[in-house]
Amino acid sequence: EPEVTQTPSHQVTQMGQEVILRCVPISNHLYFYWYRQILGQKVEFLVSFYNNEISEKSEIFDDQFSVERPDGSNFTLKIRSTKLEDSAMYFCASSGQVGSEQYFGPGTRLTVT
Amino acid sequence: GENVEQHPSTLSVQEGDSAVIKCTYSDSASNYFPWYKQELGKRPQLIIDIRSNVGEKKDQRIAVTLNKTAKHFSLHITETQPEDSAVYFCAASINNNDMRFGAGTRLTVKP
Repeated sequence: EPEVTQTPSHQVTQMGQEVILRCVPISNHLYFYWYRQILGQKVEFLVSFYNNEISEKSEIFDDQFSVERPDGSNFTLKIRSTKLEDSAMYFCASSGQVGSEQYFGPGTRLTVT
Repeated sequence: GENVEQHPSTLSVQEGDSAVIKCTYSDSASNYFPWYKQELGKRPQLIIDIRSNVGEKKDQRIAVTLNKTAKHFSLHITETQPEDSAVYFCAASINNNDMRFGAGTRLTVKP
């Protein structure tokens, strides 16, 4: 069964550095999402992406964040000038059609020191 | 924007009993309501979902009900088993976009 994959599984970075989190959505999916989950808290929507552009973003997704689909398979989340409070699990998800089930990746645990 | 409230935050039941988790949402335009199960350190996994044109949906031991007028929806798990122990999240969205999650319910099923 096809799955969403994410790399790395764990990223440690120093405050102020830039990180890029990578996701490979399910191959025939068209809708892509990033979520964040601070340890012990709820899952928070960051951004959705369709047809090479952002379709929705939350109040969390400010100028510090950007997303890109650099080729036909990868979907990336870039976080510039990381802060301690950016430490969280970041999940990528994809879906095949509007309104259909979202499949989550295993997550990247980001630790900012 | 959409705001989803979820109760209770923790729920402990005896194996074989039923468990009910309730959520309310604020945006009457929301039309898609999934429920996710998340085991410790794992990704959220969809267990059931319901759309606004349906009042109830059932899949084996799991059922979800939706009351659009009151803007609340509930998850029902019958004949609970220890492997049902996990954190359960409800969510609401318009067409599965900008999905907002509840705070989660930690369900513990005691053998």
